Amino acid sequence: GAGVSQSPRYKVAKRGQDVALRCDPISGHVSLFWYQQALGQGPEFLTYFQNEAQLDKSGLPSDRFFAERPEGSVSTLKIQRTQQEDSAVYLCASSLRGMDFSGANVLTFGAGSRLTVL
Amino acid sequence: GNSVTQMEGPVTLSEEAFLTINCTYTATGYPSLFWYVQYPGEGLQLLLKATKADDKGSNKGFEATYRKETTSFHLEKGSVQVSDSAVYFCALRNGGGYQKVTFGTGTKLQVIP
Repeated sequence: GAGVSQSPRYKVAKRGQDVALRCDPISGHVSLFWYQQALGQGPEFLTYFQNEAQLDKSGLPSDRFFAERPEGSVSTLKIQRTQQEDSAVYLCASSLRGMDFSGANVLTFGAGSRLTVL
Repeated sequence: GNSVTQMEGPVTLSEEAFLTINCTYTATGYPSLFWYVQYPGEGLQLLLKATKADDKGSNKGFEATYRKETTSFHLEKGSVQVSDSAVYFCALRNGGGYQKVTFGTGTKLQVIP
């Protein structure tokens, strides 16, 4: 597609529910990132995929967070047993090259999925 | 580790005023530096970038110069418009091998007519 598409744009969950957030990156983009943006803060790294391989998941805050990209295109971020502190905007970004590219690899961001946990 | 520090907002300016948003960074090696902008209700968009010392990135009247000696990448615009109202994020990515992009906390700019 023309840009990075994320769905749903808004999600309200009751504490303890599981949620799944979808990211459809730009076609052909190798790299895919998930970031978490709390209100009034900058994006914080969660995880990175190069094609279907999850190369870095060091930013996932707990084992309740799980991400996959099984065919190297669409990715899903799943949060199990949601807590109030999970409330944030979840941003997906993709880039054409792998992150081992030494140039200025530009990220294209989606509009984000705003999760509110009650 | 890598980190980015931005001046706190919000910054409120009148139309046609001069804008400076300060950004300093900490990183090993020679990072690439970026400014991203987030308009209300939209995703982050790349505004400009610089990949080595003394490079100047520019776009839409905004400029930033990569200053290695002061580890800074301040954003400037000579005459802001109401349409520039947004949140601006300074970011870096270290060169050489895999490194994620690290963002600052963002600076909200409000331009009033």
